[in-house]
Amino acid sequence: DQQVKQNSPSLSVQEGRISILNCDYTNSMFDYFLWYKKYPAEGPTFLISISSIKDKNEDGRFTVFLNKSAKHLSLHIVPSQPGDSAVYFCAAATNDYKLSFGAGTTVTVRA
Amino acid sequence: IAGITQAPTSQILAAGRRMTLRCTQDMRHNAMYWYRQDLGLGLRLIHYSNTAGTTGKGEVPDGYSVSRANTDDFPLTLASAVPSQTSVYFCASSELAGVYNEQFFGPGTRLTVL
Repeated sequence: DQQVKQNSPSLSVQEGRISILNCDYTNSMFDYFLWYKKYPAEGPTFLISISSIKDKNEDGRFTVFLNKSAKHLSLHIVPSQPGDSAVYFCAAATNDYKLSFGAGTTVTVRA
Repeated sequence: IAGITQAPTSQILAAGRRMTLRCTQDMRHNAMYWYRQDLGLGLRLIHYSNTAGTTGKGEVPDGYSVSRANTDDFPLTLASAVPSQTSVYFCASSELAGVYNEQFFGPGTRLTVL
């Protein structure tokens, strides 16, 4: 049973607009959350993370929001650029060695 | 700087055959991981190694084995491949064990078992 869910398999957004990717989790023991980005024929690369003691973390155009009571996090990309077209994976972890990944959301940024 | 290399890039394999996927990193990272990526399921951890000489089971270890004889190499072996092992396999490494250390991924191996 998947503990991390990305319910939107795809997202299409116009260049310059905001992309919002959503992720829900079921395990209340998760205390660390990450987003990875993946281009075709490449491995995933780390994008941004957030600890459960925070509700927001920002890095340039990327902001992750965490709502622990709702067991929900989101990734905002502002403004979206063509190079942002990729698959985005949400991941979560407890204080052990294992990441649990969502199924991914494919983002397409239209020119 | 190569980072993580995986071989082969892709492979078609008959069911019942033995196959070893190779993974080498040149970053002197202590921890290494094997994941499989399946459509609709994301990445799932197969096995991991926190340091050379140690290994551990991940979420989906059945049918797979690993070894970590040295820091750089972490091969994944399918002793007798089955069609359900058709997947894209990613090797990753991190400087130290633990999820708070960024994992760096290789380019993947696409395996098809017929």
